[in-house]
Amino acid sequence: DGGITQSPKYLFRKEGQNVTLSCEQNLNHDAMYWYRQDPGQGLRLIYYSQIVNDFQKGDIAEGYSVSREKKESFPLTVTSAQKNPTAFYLCASSMAGDYTEAFFGQGTRLTVV
Amino acid sequence: DAKTTQPNSMESNEEEPVHLPCNHSTISGTDYIHWYRQLPSQGPEYVIHGLTSNVNNRMASLAIAEDRKSSTLILHRATLRDAAVYYCILRDWGSGGGADGLTFGKGTHLIIQP
Repeated sequence: DGGITQSPKYLFRKEGQNVTLSCEQNLNHDAMYWYRQDPGQGLRLIYYSQIVNDFQKGDIAEGYSVSREKKESFPLTVTSAQKNPTAFYLCASSMAGDYTEAFFGQGTRLTVV
Repeated sequence: DAKTTQPNSMESNEEEPVHLPCNHSTISGTDYIHWYRQLPSQGPEYVIHGLTSNVNNRMASLAIAEDRKSSTLILHRATLRDAAVYYCILRDWGSGGGADGLTFGKGTHLIIQP
């Protein structure tokens, strides 16, 4: 089945460690996105990529890094520079074009202790 | 992207229609109106989108005001599985091409009573 997969669903890390969240899609979508969601809040855009080997900062990129070496994959690294990394992270993909629908993964809940 | 305003929460009874309002008074002529919903602990899912005319699909209907400054998402017969946060979002197809991400507000928390 076509879709977008995030792994793992739950992730625990110690403070000061970098951690990488996986996002894979087999929808042949050009655009991919990473969002962060805090309890009771909407989604905030971290990074997005419109094409392989290119990505742009979103509203809250500080403390995060991404890569887009393959069309299917858009991993997000939460670095030790991120002050409040505990959150629900969502990856999405879409065809190019601002009027198309986006497909979301099931999310990764990261807890830093 | 232009801003939208939605009520924080709404409550409805099961098997009754639900009308979720969204105000977007600063909408531009090239903005599409999108609706997504998010069930607890899941990623958002697309519901429907439109530009000027009313739209129907298997999930819902979208009624767009003639001046496009407001819209209403209609769930014709709510079930308990429709309990979710519903987001109304504007997407500008004239923004120069390329997808720069959806801007999500806090949405409307829809509560369905059995």
